[in-house]
Amino acid sequence: ETGVTQTPRHLVMGMTNKKSLKCEQHLGHNAMYWYKQSAKKPLELMFVYSLEERVENNSVPSRFSPECPNSSHLFLHLHTLQPEDSALYLCASSPRLAGGIRDTQYFGPGTRLTVL
Amino acid sequence: EDQVTQSPEALRLQEGESSSLNCSYTVSGLRGLFWYRQDPGKGPEFLFTLYSAGEEKEKERLKATLTKKESFLHITAPKPEDSATYLCAVQVREETSGSRLTFGEGTQLTVNP
Repeated sequence: ETGVTQTPRHLVMGMTNKKSLKCEQHLGHNAMYWYKQSAKKPLELMFVYSLEERVENNSVPSRFSPECPNSSHLFLHLHTLQPEDSALYLCASSPRLAGGIRDTQYFGPGTRLTVL
Repeated sequence: EDQVTQSPEALRLQEGESSSLNCSYTVSGLRGLFWYRQDPGKGPEFLFTLYSAGEEKEKERLKATLTKKESFLHITAPKPEDSATYLCAVQVREETSGSRLTFGEGTQLTVNP
């Protein structure tokens, strides 16, 4: 496979469930990102990882827990979510993450999450 | 606070009817402006990056331009397959997250045959 892949593509879960979203990039990039996309709202950056180290957490509730075991894989662990967390969750990667470096982010297809 | 505003929110065109989408921004220290295309239920697809005022880039029927305050995405003789949401994002100088993007809300383009 090439590019950025995400699984599952669709997920329906209850508020008491625990689930995980997976992202894998095949581009040799060193930085990875989680975004949330809700209807009629701009993409919201959630987490940023560079070389498996978290460099930014945009005040995301603790019911979202990211994990980056290596530079190719990124997970988003979900537990006790709320209905308002229903959205499209997008993963992206870029070659590098350094101040002032202009790097293009490439996105995966997203996971459509519905919380009942 | 960095702001990115896209207009119009939605645009309907007839096939062959050229038009432009606007992205205006208020940021400190612009590093680059990105255009993405997003089809329903899919992730954004990278189109262009513009780095400095006066720069232009083209790809098939699309042409992106940049000034100090805004960017335009010109669509010449659009086809129905150009229907999508077009997202604009700006990259600003940051110490810890150099690739941080701030996105606009997007313009939903529909091209009727």
